[in-house]
Amino acid sequence: DTEVTQTPKHLVMGMTNKKSLKCEQHMGHRAMYWYKQKAKKPPELMFVYSYEKLSINESVPSRFSPECPNSSLLNLHLHALQPEDSALYLCASSRYGAPDETQYFGPGTRLLVL
Amino acid sequence: GQQLNQSPQSMFIQEGEDVSMNCTSSSIFNTWLWYKQDPGEGPVLLIALYKAGELTSNGRLTAQFGITRKDSFLNISASIPSDVGIYFCAGRFQGGSEKLVFGKGTKLTVNP
Repeated sequence: DTEVTQTPKHLVMGMTNKKSLKCEQHMGHRAMYWYKQKAKKPPELMFVYSYEKLSINESVPSRFSPECPNSSLLNLHLHALQPEDSALYLCASSRYGAPDETQYFGPGTRLLVL
Repeated sequence: GQQLNQSPQSMFIQEGEDVSMNCTSSSIFNTWLWYKQDPGEGPVLLIALYKAGELTSNGRLTAQFGITRKDSFLNISASIPSDVGIYFCAGRFQGGSEKLVFGKGTKLTVNP
């Protein structure tokens, strides 16, 4: 099983809303990632969690707040977003977070900020 | 900075034709990964390469990790309509962290 699941599949929110994106994997992976992808562009790394601790924050604005409640779950809390934050948000996981590992991606959440 | 150049940017081919795309870098890579992404979906891993010179096949797909460790190619043989999508190369630079660097993608269109 190499499945990473993400909910919701689509999300529309206003600039004053608070919402959360969820990601789950049951492969026993200990590294999880959030990426942002704009149309016709490659994914851009936002955060990396390794063993439930934040190991990389790619200078992401504080209106995005990641959380890793346990080794299978990864959340991304959204607050006071801007229209330019509209994008496909992808979650990924890998076994340990080592440089030579393969990352498996979820289907993404399509976010629209109005 | 470290950059990954992927070409071509787009391809329009007839069903049954073979396809080739490649990625090059000015820096040495430890890992090369090839993903395919359909519209509105997440990237799906096609082939992973870990050693210089490694040649790996997955059905009609073949990919190679260049000997210099600065390039990789992906070939698709006998293309079919469902091969349509965007293909991304991705990899990790030598001495890099768990951060994956992506190419800009090759958009493939297959005409029946």
